[in-house]
Amino acid sequence: GENVEQHPSTLSVQEGDSAVIKCTYSDSASNYFPWYKQELGKGPQLIIDIRSNVGEKKDQRIAVTLNKTAKHFSLHITETQPEDSAVYFCAATSDSGYSTLTFGKGTMLLVSP
Amino acid sequence: DTAVSQTPKYLVTQMGNDKSIKCEQNLGHDTMYWYKQDSKKFLKIMFSYNNKELIINETVPNRFSPKSPDKAHLNLHINSLELGDSAVYFCASSPRARLGEQYFGPGTRLTVT
Repeated sequence: GENVEQHPSTLSVQEGDSAVIKCTYSDSASNYFPWYKQELGKGPQLIIDIRSNVGEKKDQRIAVTLNKTAKHFSLHITETQPEDSAVYFCAATSDSGYSTLTFGKGTMLLVSP
Repeated sequence: DTAVSQTPKYLVTQMGNDKSIKCEQNLGHDTMYWYKQDSKKFLKIMFSYNNKELIINETVPNRFSPKSPDKAHLNLHINSLELGDSAVYFCASSPRARLGEQYFGPGTRLTVT
């Protein structure tokens, strides 16, 4: 089955800095890579995703990159703000059939004012 | 306006008791899930249902029995609760064609004493 490794487990940055979270996956059949943000006391929320036919995707201050050859994908947050503080999860799946979504273990991002 | 709702939000009970958690989604999705999030924030899939049919059971003890009366509802019944069942349980749903785009409920924090 799929295995997703996520680093770092915690990340502290100053407001305005950039933050990068990295993930690797094992199953070459995976073709869909979503990122979820979980704020304290809430459920995970999908914030951005990327499919294997795309190398990069941006949405305002967040971007994701994918290197299919190396089986790496990353989340980049620029100009971080205190409200970006949360736990971020990467995930991978083959978006066909009934494959499950395999999550990384999460990164706790703390943005200090 | 709520997309995926769960009740109750908190559940405190004693070992050996039986309890249920209810989940409803108003997104028109065909597929629903139950996840368990442990104290280290690790998200693990428990069950997946598609149009009221069980699709995935990730080696969950048979003390856990999901029930889907219709495709908008997926309830979780737990028999003979154990200390190790203490966790946050999340319900989620997704469109059948995009299984990775999952929408999570707010979670139910179960504490077994």
